[in-house]
Amino acid sequence: DIQMTQSPSSLSASVGDRVTITCRASQGIGNDLGWYQQIPGKAPKRLIYAASTLQSGVPSRFSGSGSGTEFTLTISSLQPEDFATYYCLQHNSYPLTFGGGTKVEIK
Amino acid sequence: EEQLVESGGGSIQPGGSLRLSCAASGFTVSSNYMSWVRQAPGKGLEWVSVIYSGGGTYYAGSVKGRFTISRDSSMNTLYLQMNSLRADDTAMYYCARDSRGPFQWGQGTLVTVSS
Repeated sequence: DIQMTQSPSSLSASVGDRVTITCRASQGIGNDLGWYQQIPGKAPKRLIYAASTLQSGVPSRFSGSGSGTEFTLTISSLQPEDFATYYCLQHNSYPLTFGGGTKVEIK
Repeated sequence: EEQLVESGGGSIQPGGSLRLSCAASGFTVSSNYMSWVRQAPGKGLEWVSVIYSGGGTYYAGSVKGRFTISRDSSMNTLYLQMNSLRADDTAMYYCARDSRGPFQWGQGTLVTVSS
């Protein structure tokens, strides 16, 4: 199985800050990576697929980059509604595997 | 409007069985890859199973041999039959439409396995 290591596990940031979250795959997965946002009590929401393609309707302050084993999610200017937990997911091969999550909290 | 609605969750004793349902509207279940994903209380997301549009299936190692994914085209519904349930199966279970990973999710149904 492909292991996904996400860092940091949590971070504190202020509104307007630039935030970067990293995901590392245990083996190369091309660009078969998605990023998800989950607000407590809600279902996850996909933000990005194919490593860098923004899901329809997602604000442009979210961006993704990377390929192979190293991937990054960037929020260019953190907004109040962005405080949530973020997960990466590899869909290169089954079983699909998620990263452990990054909780973004208000500083 | 495209929508997924899960049902069938509840409290069950260890060793018991439960069948989850996921009713789809606005699209055809059998024409899509469909997945189940779960989340234990306070924990991260765990992918559980997929059924391909062609009917093939795949399972996470933690549920293989105990869970069965299936679909009913006439009902446009996805199912997850869960047998030999254990305490560590306690989780919110989400069904999701899958294309390059799950992208359309239901609201979830809670399964609690406890004596």
